[in-house]
Amino acid sequence: AQSVAQPEDQVNVAEGNPLTVKCTYSVSGNPYLFWYVQYPNRGLQFLLKYITGDNLVKGSYGFEAEFNKSQTSFHLKKPSALVSDSALYFCAVRDLYNTDKLIFGTGTRLQVFP
Amino acid sequence: EAGVAQSPRYKIIEKRQSVAFWCNPISGHATLYWYQQILGQGPKLLIQFQNNGVVDDSQLPKDRFSAERLKGVDSTLKIQPAKLEDSAVYLCASNDREGNTIYFGEGSWLTVV
Repeated sequence: AQSVAQPEDQVNVAEGNPLTVKCTYSVSGNPYLFWYVQYPNRGLQFLLKYITGDNLVKGSYGFEAEFNKSQTSFHLKKPSALVSDSALYFCAVRDLYNTDKLIFGTGTRLQVFP
Repeated sequence: EAGVAQSPRYKIIEKRQSVAFWCNPISGHATLYWYQQILGQGPKLLIQFQNNGVVDDSQLPKDRFSAERLKGVDSTLKIQPAKLEDSAVYLCASNDREGNTIYFGEGSWLTVV
């Protein structure tokens, strides 16, 4: 079965420092991987995706993610964190071999301190 | 283009009452999803439509939850009777046949008291 794991419930980082939010996956075949962000009292906003091609994927708001097949990871990164990046981040995999739905991780709360 | 529209945004009801949520997907998107997100958890799929047909409703509690997408466009999710554990955010999402990205609405926040 397809799944993703987010090992950290919360990540704390100082403003201006680089941030990493971790995600590992378990899939059959080639993975379609996604990152979404959820701000307080809002829905999910699409950040970026990996389908194929370059392992470094660039997305919205200066975020990027690195696909690593050997480590089955898809970590979200940003070179310089902003206080406004504080939110809940979800990694997800597209279940292409079943019903094509998104399967989400449990989420990681990012807190950026001034 | 307009995003996924959902209403109402917030609803508070007493247990055993009923509630309905409405979703209008992005224009032209054939696939529509309803997800349930309980506080502190990741979203879980309740039901998936392809046009007006159900693709997956294996996680839908059918004794109390129902959903329809009669004309293959907008959709309604109903809960009757509601239980305390139904307190959650109900997220609607859509994508087109060729697209790889699933887009979400702002969610309908339900509190059952």
